[in-house]
Amino acid sequence: DAGITQSPRHKVTETGTPVTLRCHQTENHRYMYWYRQDPGHGLRLIHYSYGVKDTDKGEVSDGYSVSRSKTEDFLLTLESATSSQTSVYFCAISESRGNTGELFFGEGSRLTVL
Amino acid sequence: GNSVTQMEGPVTLSEEAFLTINCTYTATGYPSLFWYVQYPGEGLQLLLKATKADDKGSNKGFEATYRKETTSFHLEKGSVQVSDSAVYFCALTTRNFNKFYFGSGTKLNVKP
Repeated sequence: DAGITQSPRHKVTETGTPVTLRCHQTENHRYMYWYRQDPGHGLRLIHYSYGVKDTDKGEVSDGYSVSRSKTEDFLLTLESATSSQTSVYFCAISESRGNTGELFFGEGSRLTVL
Repeated sequence: GNSVTQMEGPVTLSEEAFLTINCTYTATGYPSLFWYVQYPGEGLQLLLKATKADDKGSNKGFEATYRKETTSFHLEKGSVQVSDSAVYFCALTTRNFNKFYFGSGTKLNVKP
């Protein structure tokens, strides 16, 4: 199994509070991704990173920010959580650029915003 | 743009039945195509992939053929087992951007 650890695995918070989810990898893969999974929507890309300090937006980036100061860590921050951000968040990593790469997923972080 | 459309579930089958989950795609350029599987409480894991037209991906008895002419990548298995119960996601990635696009997922329930 790919060495991907997400923390926390479960979190309940209140509307308006900041939340940071952490993804840690031991594979030294270049690419890291944050997805959210919601019923009826499958997986939607929030942000991704293609190297240290190199990040870009995905399709549902509003309300989220990311940082990658080290190869192994990719942080997802909700500056002011809203109920619409209640979801399961998955981190994924990939090594290969282009169309042959495989994504490896973490086990997910379930966030509930009350 | 890039997108993946797969059949809605849930799909309920009896053990040893034949499985087909339809997947069609829209993509710029020449995408690679994937099927991922998610078991309850877990993250997604790669089931199979195909990187060019007419390639067939296969794993654990599952197969899918990359059909460029119909822009499809349907998942099939000849005889499903209870242990195949999971959510299946079709996905694509394009050569230039290293972004992965996922379908909405199809839940498969296999009854003994």
